[in-house]
Amino acid sequence: QVHLVQSGAEVKKPGASVKVSCKASGYIFNDYAMHWVRQAPGQGFEWIGWINAGNGNTKYSPKFQDRVIITRDTSASTVYMELSLLTSEDTAIYYCARQWILDYWGQGTLVAVSS
Amino acid sequence: EVVLTQSPGTLSLSPGDRATLSCRASQSVSSSYLAWYRQKPGQAPTLLIHGIFTRATGIPDRFSGSGSGTEYTLTISRLESEDFAVYYCQQYGTSPLTFGQGTRLEIK
Repeated sequence: QVHLVQSGAEVKKPGASVKVSCKASGYIFNDYAMHWVRQAPGQGFEWIGWINAGNGNTKYSPKFQDRVIITRDTSASTVYMELSLLTSEDTAIYYCARQWILDYWGQGTLVAVSS
Repeated sequence: EVVLTQSPGTLSLSPGDRATLSCRASQSVSSSYLAWYRQKPGQAPTLLIHGIFTRATGIPDRFSGSGSGTEYTLTISRLESEDFAVYYCQQYGTSPLTFGQGTRLEIK
């Protein structure tokens, strides 16, 4: 059974960085892309970017291009999303989701940015 | 980017009713890569439909998707209590991936 388990909630100061992890199990990690999506409180979804878990290639939304890095550790079946230069507008639940049809989602990680 | 506009914003229906949710794209969705998700309060979304028509694993046949070009529809033939939630359409044919703003399906 496919499971995506994300790291716990984070509270950050403006200007800081946050790194969220997503550990996958129940399938062949290298065979599927992983995407990151966020949802601000009471809002819809924004796509952040994705990584090819097999070769590590990435692509990011233009909105986040300059301050996001997505990486993976194949030995740990884990994908990471690091977002820098945080502002209050980055307060949201961050989700990892498998492949282009987003068929399985992590439970979400709340990132709160506050001074 | 492809802008997706969902209507109505809120739909008030009763259990057993038929629900029709719409999603309009600002340009034709590439390769028919259009999906629908349901999100219950406090939970991550669940994939319902992908490729316009194809039900995801475990999704009952009372959910169906249709459409082409720039107009898409999610139909729920007989509403059950678990269906009262927020529904999002999403396109994954053109980068960046984009989502509609959601339709809230509430009990009348």
